[in-house]
Amino acid sequence: QKEVEQNSGPLSVPEGAIASLNCTYSDRGSQSFFWYRQYSGKSPELIMSIYSNGDKEDGRFTAQLNKASQYVSLLIRDSQPSDSATYLCAVHSSGNTGKLIFGQGTTLQVKP
Amino acid sequence: DGGITQSPKYLFRKEGQNVTLSCEQNLNHDAMYWYRQDPGQGLRLIYYSQIVNDFQKGDIAEGYSVSREKKESFPLTVTSAQKNPTAFYLCASSIPDTGNIQYFGAGTRLSVL
Repeated sequence: QKEVEQNSGPLSVPEGAIASLNCTYSDRGSQSFFWYRQYSGKSPELIMSIYSNGDKEDGRFTAQLNKASQYVSLLIRDSQPSDSATYLCAVHSSGNTGKLIFGQGTTLQVKP
Repeated sequence: DGGITQSPKYLFRKEGQNVTLSCEQNLNHDAMYWYRQDPGQGLRLIYYSQIVNDFQKGDIAEGYSVSREKKESFPLTVTSAQKNPTAFYLCASSIPDTGNIQYFGAGTRLSVL
C-alpha cells in the first residue's frame, strides 16, 4: 500500500513566524508532488507543485523535495492568520494512472 | 469562466435510496476523479476516469458507481450498498501530461436522514 504520512497537528505558530510542514511518502517511483491548502468546509486548492530535488519558491511559500529521503516539505514565511488551514501533501502514484495519494493533512494555526 | 461545477452543494439520503452527485468541467481535461473526505482525514479515491467511456476503481469503490459518457461529465452514484455515506465528496480533473495537477470542484456534502 502506497502511503503519504503527515503529522496531523495542530501546528501553532505566531504571526510573522515561519511555519514548517513535513511529509514523507513510500513510493520511490513518484515524480510529482503537491501541496494543497484546504480551509474548513471548502475544497482543496493547489498552492505548490514540485517535480525535482531541491527548493522551489513562490512568494511566501517554499517547497522542498528530497527524493533520496522520500521527503517533501512546505515552508511558509511571514505566516499570517489567513494561512490558518489544513495543508494536504499529495504524491503522484507511479505508473500511468494520474492518481494522487493524499496525506491526512496538517492543521496550521497562526496566532495574531 | 472555466472550472469544475459540483451539484448539489448539500444532499440528504434516505435509507435504501440511491443518490447521484453531479460533476461537470469545462476545462477540456481528459481525466476526472472522485474523492471522499471524512472529518479530519485526507482524501480517498473512489473512482477515476482517464478517458471517455473508461473508468477505474479507486481504493474505496464499493457501494459507488460512475459513468463517463461525455468528456465534460463524471457523475457519481452513491448506492444503498454504501452503508456509511456521510462525507464530503470532491470531484477533480486534470490533464495528465501537464504534471498531473488536479483541480477540485467545491464539493458536495452528503448526509443520511
